Amino acid sequence: KAGVTQTPRYLIKTRGQQVTLSCSPISGHRSVSWYQQTPGQGLQFLFEYFSETQRNKGNFPGRFSGRQFSNSRSEMNVSTLELGDSALYLCASSWGDRGFNNEQFFGPGTRLTVL
Amino acid sequence: GESVGLHLPTLSVQEGDNSIINCAYSNSASDYFIWYKQESGKGPQFIIDIRSNMDKRQGQRVTVLLNKTVKHLSLQIAATQPGDSAVYFCAENAGGSYIPTFGRGTSLIVHP
Repeated sequence: KAGVTQTPRYLIKTRGQQVTLSCSPISGHRSVSWYQQTPGQGLQFLFEYFSETQRNKGNFPGRFSGRQFSNSRSEMNVSTLELGDSALYLCASSWGDRGFNNEQFFGPGTRLTVL
Repeated sequence: GESVGLHLPTLSVQEGDNSIINCAYSNSASDYFIWYKQESGKGPQFIIDIRSNMDKRQGQRVTVLLNKTVKHLSLQIAATQPGDSAVYFCAENAGGSYIPTFGRGTSLIVHP
């Protein structure tokens, strides 16, 4: 069974631009969560989707948004990029409907660098 | 590989030793805890979890201990191997919120 895939793996953008990251969950998994990982703040929860509905959202500004499609694939978007958005963005999928409380499988992440 | 954190606490052990990694949490309402392992260039990997109605849970070569009185969690790895070298961090959440809080992590280095 293929693992969680994320594209692209690496991305370089400039301040003010917007970016879209993609995540394909493990086949059969309906929950997708997104996390931001930085050296300064560690791993932080962004949001979680289940059956195309955002069920939980972390403490991030509205510039961070996401969506989930009917095939459970998910995208997250960051608009008006700031230098502080440089981070590793991780996607995790799980089978059940309890997000973090079900065993989550993480992808390798997308490394975003904002210049 | 990619660095997951700068200036993380580091634990260096010899192959075959037992390792103990600690984590303090702050939310007394937290009732579910997970330990993750993250190798360079990879996403976190679930190791073991524990709920607040338990004090101890064992897996293969790993044991998690939970002390709710002092809000402390530990991960014990028996017979540590070079392949155990990674960053380990704990995560918690409270009362079905499904919004986790993660610890900063500890870098484990296993010397052959």
